[in-house]
Amino acid sequence: QKEVEQNSGPLSVPEGAIASLNCTYSDRGSQSFFWYRQYSGKSPELIMFIYSNGDKEDGRFTAQLNKASQYVSLLIRDSQPSDSATYLCAVSSGGYQKVTFGIGTKLQVIP
Amino acid sequence: DAGVTQSPTHLIKTRGQQVTLRCSPKSGHDTVSWYQQALGQGPQFIFQYYEEEERQRGNFPDRFSGHQFPNYSSELNVNALLLGDSALYLCASSLEGSGSYEQYFGPGTRLTVT
Repeated sequence: QKEVEQNSGPLSVPEGAIASLNCTYSDRGSQSFFWYRQYSGKSPELIMFIYSNGDKEDGRFTAQLNKASQYVSLLIRDSQPSDSATYLCAVSSGGYQKVTFGIGTKLQVIP
Repeated sequence: DAGVTQSPTHLIKTRGQQVTLRCSPKSGHDTVSWYQQALGQGPQFIFQYYEEEERQRGNFPDRFSGHQFPNYSSELNVNALLLGDSALYLCASSLEGSGSYEQYFGPGTRLTVT
């Protein structure tokens, strides 16, 4: 079982729709959860982080965490073509908070 | 506020050679982590440096080594390069004790081994 699992996609949504990206993790002791956006040929950019169960909103982005189900998600409202990128889920755990990444989900926003 | 910087941007090496990649952390950060990202994959953790010491390591062979300097900058060295070492090498910095553990990435070094 992979430590952090994501569907590689591509996930295609029309412009203006809500994009829903999902991630599951295996280590119940994981403490911090991150979403990175990575454009083709570029490095990952941190867009959201969450530590507590529930929702965290920042502009058009909402991160959701359910530790009991070991599930974290990212919602992107009013999706724009510029949101087309690969979204990496990352989870930190252990004494030194080692960060483990998923494979990433490729999002395509269709104009 | 200076972000994470890495050099060089691109590098082409021959199998068997050695390479050194460099990273300067974001201003105010003291911890540096290195990752290898192959095409179509997520970043894979190589190791992390704090207080000039390697304090945790991923599943990478001893050919991969590193160093952290007193100014918190870091180097990644790879010996006896293999074709499979071709990847994007990413450096990420963070602040120990911040309680938040967010890591910020540099632009990466694209290594091609021929």
